[in-house]
Amino acid sequence: AQSVTQLDSQVPVFEEAPVELRCNYSSSVSVYLFWYVQYPNQGLQLLLKYLSGSTLVKGINGFEAEFNKSQTSFHLRKPSVHISDTAEYFCAVSDSGTYKYIFGTGTRLKVLA
Amino acid sequence: EAQVTQNPRYLITVTGKKLTVTCSQNMNHEYMSWYRQDPGLGLRQIYYSMNVEVTDKGDVPEGYKVSRKEKRNFPLILESPSPNQTSLYFCASSFGGGDHEQYFGPGTRLTVT
Repeated sequence: AQSVTQLDSQVPVFEEAPVELRCNYSSSVSVYLFWYVQYPNQGLQLLLKYLSGSTLVKGINGFEAEFNKSQTSFHLRKPSVHISDTAEYFCAVSDSGTYKYIFGTGTRLKVLA
Repeated sequence: EAQVTQNPRYLITVTGKKLTVTCSQNMNHEYMSWYRQDPGLGLRQIYYSMNVEVTDKGDVPEGYKVSRKEKRNFPLILESPSPNQTSLYFCASSFGGGDHEQYFGPGTRLTVT
């Protein structure tokens, strides 16, 4: 069965510093990959997604992620974070041809002034 | 405004008292899904629906029921709630499964005593 691992439960980082949030998934079959963000007391919203094609995916708010099939990873990066990026970030995967989604346990990003 | 709405937003109930959490979307989406969010566990899919009258189990369906009689509505039913169903519940919808972005509702915080 498919699974998603987010290795860091919390990541503190200073404002304007770069950040990487890590995500690994278990299956090497054809998958769709997503990153969602959840701001306090809100639902989730899509940051970016990988379906096929270029392995570097750009999303909203300056975030990007790189799909690495050999390492089954989909790490999220931002070169310079802002206080407003403080939120919880979820990686999710869906196997091609299915309607099931598997989410990771989330990474809390805290941006410090 | 395109949105997913959930009601109620907060609910405190007692063990065994049947309850329904409603979910409605105004985007003509075919796919709808329910998740529960628990600390340290991320989001786990409860049930999903590919279209009217078509539903299937996610990873944690025990103790829940759903129905999809209309395209816009996807209620979650707890026929005999127990304290281990205390959680934050999210409804989501999308144009299709798998490779499509999901749009999330604001969440329903349920406490079962």
